Amino acid sequence: DQQVKQNSPSLSVQEGRISILNCDYTNSMFDYFLWYKKYPAEGPTFLISISSIKDKNEDGRFTVFLNKSAKHLSLHIVPSQPGDSAVYFCAASAKGNTDKLIFGTGTRLQVFP
Amino acid sequence: GAVVSQHPSWVICKSGTSVKIECRSLDFQATTMFWYRQFPKQSLMLMATSNEGSKATYEQGVEKDKFLINHASLTLSTLTVTSAHPEDSSFYICSASIGGAPIGPDTQYFGPGTRLTVL
Repeated sequence: DQQVKQNSPSLSVQEGRISILNCDYTNSMFDYFLWYKKYPAEGPTFLISISSIKDKNEDGRFTVFLNKSAKHLSLHIVPSQPGDSAVYFCAASAKGNTDKLIFGTGTRLQVFP
Repeated sequence: GAVVSQHPSWVICKSGTSVKIECRSLDFQATTMFWYRQFPKQSLMLMATSNEGSKATYEQGVEKDKFLINHASLTLSTLTVTSAHPEDSSFYICSASIGGAPIGPDTQYFGPGTRLTVL
């Protein structure tokens, strides 16, 4: 039972344009969401997070949007850069179990010149 | 700051042998450490949660006797894959948590992972 889903396994975007990565979840108990970036043979590195009490969080080129009614979140990267090419995972945690992260399957982003 | 290391970074072993993977928090004390496994093109799956000085809590479907976890200190946790088989071949990643609530970006720091190949 995949509680966190990233339905697009890959995304290709031209440098300078916007990258939009999507994530859906099924567990209504999730109240904190995170995005991680991962390069091959490395561990994930934290990018940005959002609490369920917010619907948007912005940090530089990265913005995460949360639509609780749709159980959907998205990560916007603008402008996209070649160095953004990596696999992006969304993750969620639930109230009362804040240390346990449930990861999505990842989306491979490729930013080309 | 908040660096987590893993050793070894990759290991190849014969079927039936045991392999130990170390996870260290280098510049902080980790109250909790987590072990994940990632199969190719799949998500990171939490295997177990370990707290220093106590028994690990395993996720459903993870064999306790096969994946032995020891969290001997606030900076070191080890995962031993016992009697390894080819199906255990995977990428194993640990993370360390400084602790505190609510969960936030400073909660879990991930190691670089260990690639295990069982022949």
